[in-house]
Amino acid sequence: KNEVEQSPQNLTAQEGEFITINCSYSVGISALHWLQQHPGGGIVSLFMLSSGKKKHGRLIATINIQEKHSSLHITASHPRDSAVYICAAGSQGNLIFGKGTKLSVKP
Amino acid sequence: GAVVSQHPSWVICKSGTSVKIECRSLDFQATTMFWYRQFPKQSLMLMATSNEGSKATYEQGVEKDKFLINHASLTLSTLTVTSAHPEDSSFYICSADRTSGANVLTFGAGSRLTVL
Repeated sequence: KNEVEQSPQNLTAQEGEFITINCSYSVGISALHWLQQHPGGGIVSLFMLSSGKKKHGRLIATINIQEKHSSLHITASHPRDSAVYICAAGSQGNLIFGKGTKLSVKP
Repeated sequence: GAVVSQHPSWVICKSGTSVKIECRSLDFQATTMFWYRQFPKQSLMLMATSNEGSKATYEQGVEKDKFLINHASLTLSTLTVTSAHPEDSSFYICSADRTSGANVLTFGAGSRLTVL
């Protein structure tokens, strides 16, 4: 069993749909990161969470420390949101990464 | 906001040559930087922790003599892949800790290495 599990692995949505990507972890953490990776490979850091909820534009990230679970939500999805979303958990830069969720948003 | 610049973004080299990848924090000092790699269709994995002014700490299975890390200043860490082989072809990414130990990480955009 991986220490950081993401679901789903692949997700196809229609433009405008509300999207949820889940991440469960079994390691002890001081922070959880959500990253976005585009087809060329470039990484963009979306959120770093240690508790509660964060919002940035159409993106919302939540974490439940007791349940060791985090979710990334995208409201009013758009084709430009198509990317791989990666959850990473750990302490400082010593992170364990999930395998990623490949999101495709169709117009 | 804090920016980490990674260069080059992609590089192709011949087998047996060495390649240097730079990770630079542009507007903050980073006492600690981290290097990761991602093989095709696999997760990112931590390779090593780079500490300014001291030796890097390598994860199990990462050859320190092959992947040379230098963190000579508070804004620059370099990863040199020595005597590169095709199996070293991978996506290499760095991150920098903006406030030591406070988990405020900024990631570089990554460097794709292809060894022919």
